[in-house]
Amino acid sequence: DADVTQTPRNRITKTGKRIMLECSQTKGHDRMYWYRQDPGLGLRLIYYSFDVKDINKGEISDGYSVSRQAQAKFSLSLESAIPNQTALYFCATSDPAAGSYGYTFGSGTRLTVV
Amino acid sequence: GIQVEQSPPDLILQEGANSTLRCNFSDSVNNLQWFHQNPWGQLINLFYIPSGTKQNGRLSATTVATERYSLLYISSSQTTDSGVYFCAVEPAGNMLTFGGGTRLMVKP
Repeated sequence: DADVTQTPRNRITKTGKRIMLECSQTKGHDRMYWYRQDPGLGLRLIYYSFDVKDINKGEISDGYSVSRQAQAKFSLSLESAIPNQTALYFCATSDPAAGSYGYTFGSGTRLTVV
Repeated sequence: GIQVEQSPPDLILQEGANSTLRCNFSDSVNNLQWFHQNPWGQLINLFYIPSGTKQNGRLSATTVATERYSLLYISSSQTTDSGVYFCAVEPAGNMLTFGGGTRLMVKP
């Protein structure tokens, strides 16, 4: 099993719909992140969480919300999807105490809003 | 926030050639990672290298933290090396920030 699992892998949804992207991890890391990648660009941070009770906005949080249900689970929601939220979404974990491992990324969720 | 610049933005190589990708960053960092994004979109962690030199097969990386740059070397390139290479840095007290990437195409 992958260390960081994202579901679904692909999703097409209609404008105005609410959608949730889910992320679970088996690394035991406290820190989790959601990033967004637009075509031809690098990743940008949406939200991050350093533990279950800690949620922080990233660079591009407008239009998104998150929920940290447990140490291992971090969900991203689009309350009312719009076409410019079409992108590749990545979940990641990190543990500064883990030494040389840095960040670990999931396989991504490709979201299309029509 | 920190600026991360990668060069070149695009690179086309013939199979078997060597290449060097560069990452410049504007502030001191606690973490620097190189990733390869394959044609299916998956991000593969190549190196965690906030300083020093590491090698893994045909790939090696060097970070000179005092001069705020990192280099990724690809030797004897293969078509499977194609994709986008990202440098990402994490300044103290801040989050991982990505550069714009280098898009590599290796031709057979």
